[in-house]
Amino acid sequence: DVKVTQSSRYLVKRTGEKVFLECVQDMDHENMFWYRQDPGLGLRLIYFSYDVKMKEKGDIPEGYSVSREKKERFSLILESASTNQTSMYLCASSPDRGHQETQYFGPGTRLLVL
Amino acid sequence: AQTVTQSQPEMSVQEAETVTLSCTYDTSESDYYLFWYKQPPSRQMILVIRQEAYKQQNATENRFSVNFQKAAKSFSLKISDSQLGDAAMYFCAYRRGTYKYIFGTGTRLKVLA
Repeated sequence: DVKVTQSSRYLVKRTGEKVFLECVQDMDHENMFWYRQDPGLGLRLIYFSYDVKMKEKGDIPEGYSVSREKKERFSLILESASTNQTSMYLCASSPDRGHQETQYFGPGTRLLVL
Repeated sequence: AQTVTQSQPEMSVQEAETVTLSCTYDTSESDYYLFWYKQPPSRQMILVIRQEAYKQQNATENRFSVNFQKAAKSFSLKISDSQLGDAAMYFCAYRRGTYKYIFGTGTRLKVLA
């Protein structure tokens, strides 16, 4: 089974702190994604990566950056956390082989910024 | 720009009954994929069913089936013989190419015993 893990299920940070959210997948997938999930807004793509050291902005990249130094690991960075970044963050991965493939999600990190 | 609309924020169904969740989308593309994902409370989101736009036949996975109307840009999910374990948030999603996923706002399904 594909396994996507995220470093924390719950996180509480202060405004202005630098926050790192880590995601690891064990299936050698080429593509990795970071989404933000908010009630009534569904999932919105923050960034995605299709290869090591490659990244593309999604729909809401402002206030976030990402890092992918190894194929299995994709990090989301909040340079200076703000209260409007309180949300559920979901990581996902998918393979490049075949268009029938879908995304596999991690359990999510619920971030509270005070 | 592509959009995905789920007009039902919440639905309820009696155990063993059938329920249909609605999803419409807007695109000018002809080649794309559609998905339904399930997110149980405090658990990981998983794929329920997928549909390739070039296939006319509706996808089916056990008790889950879709009604795909390409011309109407409609992609509804039917759950037959509903079970308590079906209670979850359901998201409809559209994908073009390999990376571009667009999700709807979700429908929360309650299953009543």
